[in-house]
This record gives sequence, structure tokens and C-alpha cells, in this order.
Amino acid sequence: QQQVKQSPQSLIVQKGGISIINCAYENTAFDYFPWYQQFPGKGPALLIAIRPDVSEKKEGRFTISFNKSAKQFSLHIMDSQPGDSATYFCAADSFGNEKLTFGTGTRLTIIP
Amino acid sequence: EAGVVQSPRYKIIEKKQPVAFWCNPISGHNTLYWYRQNLGQGPELLIRYENEEAVDDSQLPKDRFSAERLKGVDSTLKIQPAELGDSAVYLCASSRSGETQYFGPGTRLLVL
Repeated sequence: QQQVKQSPQSLIVQKGGISIINCAYENTAFDYFPWYQQFPGKGPALLIAIRPDVSEKKEGRFTISFNKSAKQFSLHIMDSQPGDSATYFCAADSFGNEKLTFGTGTRLTIIP
Repeated sequence: EAGVVQSPRYKIIEKKQPVAFWCNPISGHNTLYWYRQNLGQGPELLIRYENEEAVDDSQLPKDRFSAERLKGVDSTLKIQPAELGDSAVYLCASSRSGETQYFGPGTRLLVL
């Protein structure tokens, strides 16, 4: 059972534009929502994470927006750069569970 | 601080052969995870260790997969015998309890 649905599967954005990736979850026990960035041949690396007590978290050009009632969260990358080209995974976990459930990934390509 | 180390990075074997993967976690991280990442998918947890104890192995196919974490540091994941469907990237991650998971670069397995 896929508990975290991610879209789109792939995304092409022009340099300087805004990249938006969406995720939806089913399990209301989830209370930790990280985003991971993965480059080819590398393991996933934590980019930014949010807990449901806030609706938005911003770190530099990266922002997570969280909608608890809709059970959705999204990653926004402002001023997208070619170096942001990677695969992005959303994930979810519940306190004490320590068992990340990952989305299927979005391959982001930033073109000049 | 050194990251999670995995070896080998690549492995090609014929079906029915055994294979083993090794992981050295970040120093001081008591929690160790093994994930499997199929092509175009997010990582899926196989097993989680707290020190030497396997606390979640519900997703580990125990008929052919085994893992150990002797002395609560390094870990080995073994497949015997390997099947074609085992071709994937095997990721090791580590963390302090309840904190961010840090992933290694993975071992890419191809079963012919």
C-alpha cells in the first residue's frame, strides 16, 4: 500500500523559475515530513523537513508548505538553478516509529 | 565527520549466487537502517537496528535475506541465493535515535 503519493514524476523548469513538487499522505499518524535530494550515484540527503505544528518552513530557496486538513505537503524551489537538477523524494514518519515512508520521486531538470 | 561508508559500490552476480554488502555507519550513530531502492522508486526499509538489536525486520524477506550488526557498529546484509528481482540499489543509513537519517552512497546490485 503506497502511503505517500508524489507528483509529478518528472519536471522541467527554466533557470530562475519556481519548481513545485507535491505529496499527499494517508496515514494521519504521520507527524514528520522530510524532503530528500538525490544525485545520480549518491544516497538521498536531507534537504528540509517540517512537523505539522507549522504550515510553512523556509530554508534559503527551499520552502515546504503543509496542509494538515488536506493531508498534503509540497516543496517549492525558488530561483531554480541547474545545480538543483536531481531526484527529489518526499517522505513521512511518525514519532517513535523511525520508519520513513518515501514517495516515488520526482526527477527535476533545470534548463538554461 | 566521515559519512556512511558502504562497499562494494557495484556488484554483478549470476542468479542463485550469494552476495554480501557491508556498511560502516557514522561514528556515534546507534541506529542503522538497510533500505532497498528499485529503479525509479523511493527507498523501502528492509531492517532497522538499535545498537545490536534488530527492532524492525518486518520487510526483510527472511527466506533469502539476512543481516547482522555485531558489536553495534558495522553491519552486513546478505542475500543467498540471489534472484533476478533482487537487482536494486541497497542503501545503508544511520542516525542517532529519533534524529535525521544519513544515507550512504549505496551498493548497486545487478543479478544476471
